[in-house]
Amino acid sequence: EIVLTQSPGTLSLSPGERATLSCRASQSVSSSYLAWYQQKPGRAPRLLIYGASSRATGIPDRFSGSGSGTDFSLTISRLEPEDFAVYYCQQYGSSPPYTFGQGTKLQIK
Amino acid sequence: QVQLQESGPGLVKPSETLSLTCTVSGGSISSYYWNWIRQPAGKGLEWLGRIYSSGSTNSNPSLKSRVTMSVDTSKNQFYLNLNSVTAADTAVYYCARLVSGFAYFDYWGQGTLVTVSS
Repeated sequence: EIVLTQSPGTLSLSPGERATLSCRASQSVSSSYLAWYQQKPGRAPRLLIYGASSRATGIPDRFSGSGSGTDFSLTISRLEPEDFAVYYCQQYGSSPPYTFGQGTKLQIK
Repeated sequence: QVQLQESGPGLVKPSETLSLTCTVSGGSISSYYWNWIRQPAGKGLEWLGRIYSSGSTNSNPSLKSRVTMSVDTSKNQFYLNLNSVTAADTAVYYCARLVSGFAYFDYWGQGTLVTVSS
């Protein structure tokens, strides 16, 4: 099973700043199978990025994803108040299970 | 717009079976993988298993065969049974649709809290 480790655990930034979240895999992941989600309290996760770098429908272009192999990142270019949430990366290897990182909490500084 | 809605008992006794239904509306259940994912309070996401519209299934080995899933395409519903539950199974349970080509979950239910307690 591939383990995803996200860092930092908590990121404190101000609106307007740039956020960079990291997701490291215990073994190589196909870029096609790396996704990012945003989750707000009491809500289901929302798909942001799939295929490591493709934005999901309706996702603002301030969100971008990059990376390959074992190192992936999610960047939010200029934080808006609604971006403060928990972010998860997720991968799929050659067979189930699908696994998620433990999450990065993005909080207002 | 595809929508998913979980339903089932909010309270299950230890050692009993947790049973949930996910109803899909706004689209067909055919030709997709349908998934169960859970999240204990304050913790991360755990994938439980998936079922294809044909009925074939895969589940997370960590659950040691406690998971069974089924689908009823005529009702646009799929189901989760998790047996021999303990307090560790207390969580919000989500159903979600998988886009198989890229293996991401694009539509999610709102989630339902299941508490295991006597």
